[in-house]
Amino acid sequence: EAGVAQSPRYKIIEKRQSVAFWCNPISGHATLYWYQQILGQGPKLLIQFQNNGVVDDSQLPKDRFSAERLKGVDSTLKIQPAKLEDSAVYLCASSAGTGASRETQYFGPGTRLLVL
Amino acid sequence: AQTVTQSQPEMSVQEAETVTLSCTYDTSESDYYLFWYKQPPSRQMILVIRQEAYKQQNATENRFSVNFQKAAKSFSLKISDSQLGDAAMYFCAYSNAGKSTFGDGTTLTVKP
Repeated sequence: EAGVAQSPRYKIIEKRQSVAFWCNPISGHATLYWYQQILGQGPKLLIQFQNNGVVDDSQLPKDRFSAERLKGVDSTLKIQPAKLEDSAVYLCASSAGTGASRETQYFGPGTRLLVL
Repeated sequence: AQTVTQSQPEMSVQEAETVTLSCTYDTSESDYYLFWYKQPPSRQMILVIRQEAYKQQNATENRFSVNFQKAAKSFSLKISDSQLGDAAMYFCAYSNAGKSTFGDGTTLTVKP
C-alpha cells in the first residue's frame, strides 16, 4: 500500500512570493489534514478535509493561506504572499473510516519551506 | 480545547536500557484515542502505538508499551531495550471525533 505522497520536499522562496504544496493521501482515505510544524514544536492543524468538504479551518490564516481538495482525493495548500514566519515543515496526513481508523493518521514526508 | 503536555523536552538513554517518556492531557471527553508518534531527524512521522480510552488494558507493541492512567489523564511511553534507531523526536497526541492535538515533543537520544 502506497503511503501519503507530498511534493516538493524542499522549497526556498523570498518573502512576498507565492508557493504551493501538493499532497496525495493513501488510497481510500476520506480525511486529509494539513499541518504546520515549526522547528522544535508539534504539528499544528491548518485545515482538515472530509472527502472534498472542509471540516475545520479555524487555524488557517485565510488572508494568505488557501487549500482545496478537488474530487476528494489529492489536495493543494497555497501561501500567497509568504512571510518569514511561514518557514516550517508542512505535513500532510490522511485517515480512513470510522472509530480507530478515523482517529489514526498517516503522515507524508513533509515539505520543508524556507522563506528568505 | 484539548491540550497535550510533554514536560520533558529532551531525554537520553543508554543503549539496551529502558526509558519512559511522559505525557499529560486535558479533556472533558470520556471517549478518545491517544497516540505516540516517532519522528526521526528529517524523516517521516510514523505511528508507534495507539491506546483507546475505553480500554483498561495498556497497549503494547514489541519493545514499546504505555502506562495509561485515565483518571490522572496521563499517558507515558516506555521503550525497553533501547536501540540506536530509537533516537528521534516523540510526539504524544490526543484524538477525538477525528480531530487531533499534539504535544511539542520529546527528543530522545540513545547513547551507544
